[in-house]
Amino acid sequence: GAGVSQTPSNKVTEKGKYVELRCDPISGHTALYWYRQSLGQGPEFLIYFQGTGAADDSGLPNDRFFAVRPEGSVSTLKIQRTERGDSAMYLCASSLIPRPPYEQYFGPGTRLTVT
Amino acid sequence: AQSVTQLGSHVSVSEGALVLLRCNYSSSVPPYLFWYVQYPNQGLQLLLKYTSAATLVKGINGFEAEFKKSETSFHLTKPSAHMSDAAEYFCAVSGPYNNNDMRFGAGTRLTVKP
Repeated sequence: GAGVSQTPSNKVTEKGKYVELRCDPISGHTALYWYRQSLGQGPEFLIYFQGTGAADDSGLPNDRFFAVRPEGSVSTLKIQRTERGDSAMYLCASSLIPRPPYEQYFGPGTRLTVT
Repeated sequence: AQSVTQLGSHVSVSEGALVLLRCNYSSSVPPYLFWYVQYPNQGLQLLLKYTSAATLVKGINGFEAEFKKSETSFHLTKPSAHMSDAAEYFCAVSGPYNNNDMRFGAGTRLTVKP
């Protein structure tokens, strides 16, 4: 079946602009995660959804970052007033069972570049 | 809180040689441990996971890892490297209770020389 998909694959934006990154999880997966991966680093947790609600958003770096999952499937990560430091790969993952030792299935990521 | 440390940001081996990628964890509770592989321009793919059932875990593509509690380690090995194994490898840890606390290491880039 189809895996996790993310669009766009690449996004270049100017400092101060607003961007939206989209994630389509595997059908039927109730848990959805967003991570940020900076160059040379492992993924860092941003936010986790169980269904439609954000169960844990403790990883969001500041209030410029926001994510939604209105129907419990597709999720959108929104970044306001982008800064050059926001440049990174943004990864989305989903899992069927939201409990360890669940397997998280990752999408290919969106590479965001803020100029 | 749990964390992992991957020793060596870059490892280079010859084709056919042993692959050893090191991972040490820190956890106050019995952890779950994972190894993921990331090929260029792709997402992370699970290689194997430790869930306390068996200390020697076999994964895909001929990889395996051994959980050693006394050494707090979960090193990844493969007896004979293939060119196709060249990728970035990430060790990750999560606790047994929370479903959103997975923590990744910084990664090890494996290069395979012909």
